[in-house]
Amino acid sequence: DAGVIQSPRHEVTEMGQEVTLRCKPISGHNSLFWYRQTMMRGLELLIYFNNNVPIDDSGMPEDRFSAKMPNASFSTLKIQPSEPRDSAVYFCASSHIGLNNEQFFGPGTRLTVL
Amino acid sequence: GENVEQHPSTLSVQEGDSAVIKCTYSDSASNYFPWYKQELGKRPQLIIDIRSNVGEKKDQRIAVTLNKTAKHFSLHITETQPEDSAVYFCAASGSGYALNFGKGTSLLVTP
Repeated sequence: DAGVIQSPRHEVTEMGQEVTLRCKPISGHNSLFWYRQTMMRGLELLIYFNNNVPIDDSGMPEDRFSAKMPNASFSTLKIQPSEPRDSAVYFCASSHIGLNNEQFFGPGTRLTVL
Repeated sequence: GENVEQHPSTLSVQEGDSAVIKCTYSDSASNYFPWYKQELGKRPQLIIDIRSNVGEKKDQRIAVTLNKTAKHFSLHITETQPEDSAVYFCAASGSGYALNFGKGTSLLVTP
């Protein structure tokens, strides 16, 4: 199993541009989580999906952030327009709720907004 | 919502000594408590977890204890080695399944 796959691994963009982060969860997992990590705020949950349905998006900071999961093997996190304070490492994680709660993290996307 | 507090924020020990990291949580409904290790520039990786029906769990040099009454859990690393140096995160989750993380402990093991 390749584990959770994220792309791109690094993204540098200018303020105001649209950014799309992508995630492929582990095959067979039914839940997907998006986290943001910064030095100041640590690891924060942004949103999570169960069976492709958004369950809790209370961590999404603003309307500039949106996430979709069109099928069981793909999810996107979009920021439009991006701002310098969005600079962080964004992790995607997946798990199989019902079997156990173990979450496996992807390698992350390091986003820099200039 | 769940609030997880983690202490200390930094910890420095000599190789071979033990290290203990403590966490408290606020939601009595939480029933799953994993610990993650994150090396610099890498992803968090699960090293051990404990569920609310168990008081202690051990895996080689790593052990975790849970006190549900007091709502706290701890990570114990014995015979520390330089490769144990990393940031360690505790987390808690309940019926919502989402993980609420502590702020992390930066562990440094000096030879």
